[in-house]
Amino acid sequence: AQKVTQAQTEISVVEKEDVTLDCVYETRDTTYYLFWYKQPPSGELVFLIRRNSFDEQNEISGRYSWNFQKSTSSFNFTITASQVVDSAVYFCALSLTSSASKIIFGSGTRLSIRP
Amino acid sequence: EAQVTQNPRYLITVTGKKLTVTCSQNMNHEYMSWYRQDPGLGLRQIYYSMNVEVTDKGDVPEGYKVSRKEKRNFPLILESPSPNQTSLYFCASSSLGGYNSPLHFGNGTRLTVT
Repeated sequence: AQKVTQAQTEISVVEKEDVTLDCVYETRDTTYYLFWYKQPPSGELVFLIRRNSFDEQNEISGRYSWNFQKSTSSFNFTITASQVVDSAVYFCALSLTSSASKIIFGSGTRLSIRP
Repeated sequence: EAQVTQNPRYLITVTGKKLTVTCSQNMNHEYMSWYRQDPGLGLRQIYYSMNVEVTDKGDVPEGYKVSRKEKRNFPLILESPSPNQTSLYFCASSSLGGYNSPLHFGNGTRLTVT
């Protein structure tokens, strides 16, 4: 069965702390894509990153970094030196080449950054 | 500006009164999809469309209908809304069938059924 688990329902940290959002996925497919989306308090959903199953290189974009490990089926997201503007709900998602239409979302992690 | 436009943003209706939520994209995307967002459940797919006149059920299609007569439009129809359809709805589109390209989302429609 295909599944995405974001075990952390809510996280609250003080500004400038580093924080990691966990994402664990399940699939038997060998080819798949993983995504992270951000939903700020204004409600829109914004794409952050895509990673395919053959590319295990970690990625860094400014204060954001992503750690993809196939061995543990995880695609974790770290924010370094968090800022209040990072407060949002973050969703991890999985899409499968065996089912091009199916994109499975995790339940989301609500991140609150306190000033 | 490339965008997905949903209307209305907010909708309050009564049980049984048919309604339509419109969705339009200007990016010439083949793939379009509807999701509902409920607390603790994330985003669940209702229906999707791989191209014009091609639609199929997602994970939670009961009580909903869709149509794809034109590439840019993908309306969501609730023929007889019920209170358990109170939710936040998102339309999304992407190119290349959706599995490897990011979704572009509309701004959402918050529906309340009383």
